[in-house]
Amino acid sequence: EDKVVQSPLSLVVHEGDTVTLNCSYEVTNFRSLLWYKQEKKAPTFLFMLTSSGIEKKSGRLSSILDKKELFSILNITATQTGDSAIYLCAVEDYGGSQGNLIFGKGTKLSVKP
Amino acid sequence: DGGITQSPKYLFRKEGQNVTLSCEQNLNHDAMYWYRQDPGQGLRLIYYSQIVNDFQKGDIAEGYSVSREKKESFPLTVTSAQKNPTAFYLCASSDWWENGSEQFFGPGTRLTVL
Repeated sequence: EDKVVQSPLSLVVHEGDTVTLNCSYEVTNFRSLLWYKQEKKAPTFLFMLTSSGIEKKSGRLSSILDKKELFSILNITATQTGDSAIYLCAVEDYGGSQGNLIFGKGTKLSVKP
Repeated sequence: DGGITQSPKYLFRKEGQNVTLSCEQNLNHDAMYWYRQDPGQGLRLIYYSQIVNDFQKGDIAEGYSVSREKKESFPLTVTSAQKNPTAFYLCASSDWWENGSEQFFGPGTRLTVL
């Protein structure tokens, strides 16, 4: 059975700290791994990692994909209170047609001032 | 403005009633999805549609129904057969790219059964 596991499930840090969020997966037909940030409502897209793009960076956020060990990490440096959110990892399972996303349960990050 | 809209934002239902959640997109995406989100559960796929007039069950389709008569619209009906419908419902859409498909999400509908 396909699954995506995120850890930790929740994390409390102080402003300025660096955090690392983990996502491991077991998917039959991997095509891509996506990270989303969910504050109050709709998840917003952060990164997509594929076989042709295993490292992404945007400002203080960066992510890598290890296809051999089947995991990804999301790093946030110099955290700010605005980084407080649930971070969702999803893996696209491509079964011969358009892929579907399998989501992990999310990591709830709280950044204290 | 391109995007996905969902309505209503909040919905209250009495037990035994069917309710329909609306999802519209003007991104010209072929695929649309419905997810349910419960605390501590992440997002679980209810139904998805890759093309007009076709849809497939996701992991938790029991008690739900959908239709896809137009490319822009993918309404979800929560029937009285759904035993625990109180949840946050998210609609998404995506285009298809060879290397991966990013899904764009609507703002969600919070359904509460009274």
